[in-house]
Amino acid sequence: AQSVTQLDSQVPVFEEAPVELRCNYSSSVSVYLFWYVQYPNQGLQLLLKYLSGSTLVESINGFEAEFNKSQTSFHLRKPSVHISDTAEYFCAVSANQAGTALIFGKGTTLSVSS
Amino acid sequence: NAGVTQTPKFQVLKTGQSMTLQCAQDMNHEYMSWYRQDPGMGLRLIHYSVGAGITDQGEVPNGYNVSRSTTEDFPLRLLSAAPSQTSVYFCASSPQGGGPYGYTFGSGTRLTVV
Repeated sequence: AQSVTQLDSQVPVFEEAPVELRCNYSSSVSVYLFWYVQYPNQGLQLLLKYLSGSTLVESINGFEAEFNKSQTSFHLRKPSVHISDTAEYFCAVSANQAGTALIFGKGTTLSVSS
Repeated sequence: NAGVTQTPKFQVLKTGQSMTLQCAQDMNHEYMSWYRQDPGMGLRLIHYSVGAGITDQGEVPNGYNVSRSTTEDFPLRLLSAAPSQTSVYFCASSPQGGGPYGYTFGSGTRLTVV
């Protein structure tokens, strides 16, 4: 079975500051990793995913995440955040097996203030 | 192409009432699943299905029933609603579950049980 631990439940930052949202996972099989974002009162949107290849993956709005197999981590980073990045961020893992579920962490609330 | 459609968007139930949350997808995905989202708990898997006629329990199945008579539809039934079932419910689908294909989420149903 897979599990995900998001190490910070809330991360308050000022606008234009860098941010890191931490995610660790556990699995006995190979996995795919995802970050989803949920803006206030909205549904879930896929932010980025790691499938294979380069361990650094990027999103279109400046976020990036690095897959670290030895540390079983998939931390999300952005060098300079905006007010509009205020949202809840979920790390999720899926096993490399058909028919398995997407397992979520408990989420990290990113609050960006001016 | 509508993706994953959930109805209703909002619902208020009295304790003991029953209801069905509808989920339909038009992408011919084999895998469908239901999650509930509660503050500080992330998204927890209720039930999932790997194809028509096949369903299985997730992490928090008690108080919910599902069936999968067609590829397109995966309704979630609350047999006797309880205040503890107040939550936001998300339906998700995937070509086969697991693997690199990603999951498409519906916009959610906000359920309040009084």
